[in-house]
Amino acid sequence: DSGVTQTPKHLITATGQRVTLRCSPRSGDLSVYWYQQSLDQGLQFLIQYYNGEERAKGNILERFSAQQFPDLHSELNLSSLELGDSALYFCASSVGLYQETQYFGPGTRLLVL
Amino acid sequence: ILNVEQSPQSLHVQEGDSTNFTCSFPSSNFYALHWYRWETAKSPEALFVMTLNGDEKKKGRISATLNTKEGYSYLYIKGSQPEDSATYLCAQISGGSNYKLTFGKGTLLTVNP
Repeated sequence: DSGVTQTPKHLITATGQRVTLRCSPRSGDLSVYWYQQSLDQGLQFLIQYYNGEERAKGNILERFSAQQFPDLHSELNLSSLELGDSALYFCASSVGLYQETQYFGPGTRLLVL
Repeated sequence: ILNVEQSPQSLHVQEGDSTNFTCSFPSSNFYALHWYRWETAKSPEALFVMTLNGDEKKKGRISATLNTKEGYSYLYIKGSQPEDSATYLCAQISGGSNYKLTFGKGTLLTVNP
């Protein structure tokens, strides 16, 4: 158990809908990272927050957004969902930035029908 | 090298064999290299974070080296055990004006008893 929690574990929804994935980092970690793993792709970095501020952006679609709250938990919002958004979404946390070990949560599996 | 590449894609070894695999990455704007171990149906687990050219890190039977000038890192497993069976992922963090985090597609290791 890494200490990073993600809810929900599984989510099934329809195209066009909007969902919110939640991540609670390890106690004391200030950075939160979001990743997407779909069947035909490796692990893709989406976005990183550090102490409430966005610090880096990867291959995140405009339909997706995220935020990190004052208690350091983070939410990833996915809107206008498409079939291709079906994937495993991981959150990871680290104490600081870039050179720190990242601890991954168990992931949220999203299925868009 | 423009992307992070790992070789081989997959590897079958016998219990007790030693093995190694490679992560190649663009050498410009290098900031850090992460190695992860990812078992099926679990989350990636951090092995090493490497930052300096010539770095060598070791954790039990697993070790890694880093050459930032030529853009590669090796992961070695000594005396492979069936429980070492997993996908081994590397991820490069590059800096400059845009922080970028890029994963390789992984090396799938199967250790036969």
